[in-house]
Amino acid sequence: ETGVTQSPTHLIKTRGQQVTLRCSSQSGHNTVSWYQQALGQGPQFIFQYYREEENGRGNFPPRFSGLQFPNYSSELNVNALELDDSALYLCASAGTENYEQYFGPGTRLTVT
Amino acid sequence: AQSVTQLGSHVSVSEGALVLLRCNYSSSVPPYLFWYVQYPNQGLQLLLKYTTGATLVKGINGFEAEFKKSETSFHLTKPSAHMSDAAEYFCAVTRSYNTDKLIFGTGTRLQVFP
Repeated sequence: ETGVTQSPTHLIKTRGQQVTLRCSSQSGHNTVSWYQQALGQGPQFIFQYYREEENGRGNFPPRFSGLQFPNYSSELNVNALELDDSALYLCASAGTENYEQYFGPGTRLTVT
Repeated sequence: AQSVTQLGSHVSVSEGALVLLRCNYSSSVPPYLFWYVQYPNQGLQLLLKYTTGATLVKGINGFEAEFKKSETSFHLTKPSAHMSDAAEYFCAVTRSYNTDKLIFGTGTRLQVFP
């Protein structure tokens, strides 16, 4: 059974640019959630996708958007990057057998 | 609204000593509570969870936590610390045991000295 994977591992972008982060959910999982973890902080919920539809959103501006594909993998897109977007972005998938959320290793985004 | 407070951003113990990491929650509905561990440059790994039933929950790596509704607490303990326990620990709450969003605390960094 393959766990949650994320790509890329690290990314450096310039302020104002756009970025796309990817997540492959664990086999059999149809729900994906994205979290932002700033340095020294706990993860903050960005949004969740269930069967390709957004199923809840945290307190993040619209320039944070996402997609979920038919195979339940997901993308997080961030437009007009700001310095404060520098963080570890975590993806978590969950299925219906126990609803437990399984986290990927994260993508470290640095905005300069 | 739900929230989590982790008392002590840093905790240091000697190898073999008791580990106690504190977590208090606020929730208007019966909470579901979790402890996650994060090793450097890695994602989060679930240590244990409380949903319903027995209030003393045992997890992986010898950790356990007790849900105390009267104290709104869910403290994490381990009788004897090991060097490999050094990591960041996060307490989290959610409204229900499904795929609802997790609300995390700010974390406690555990250092273990030989």
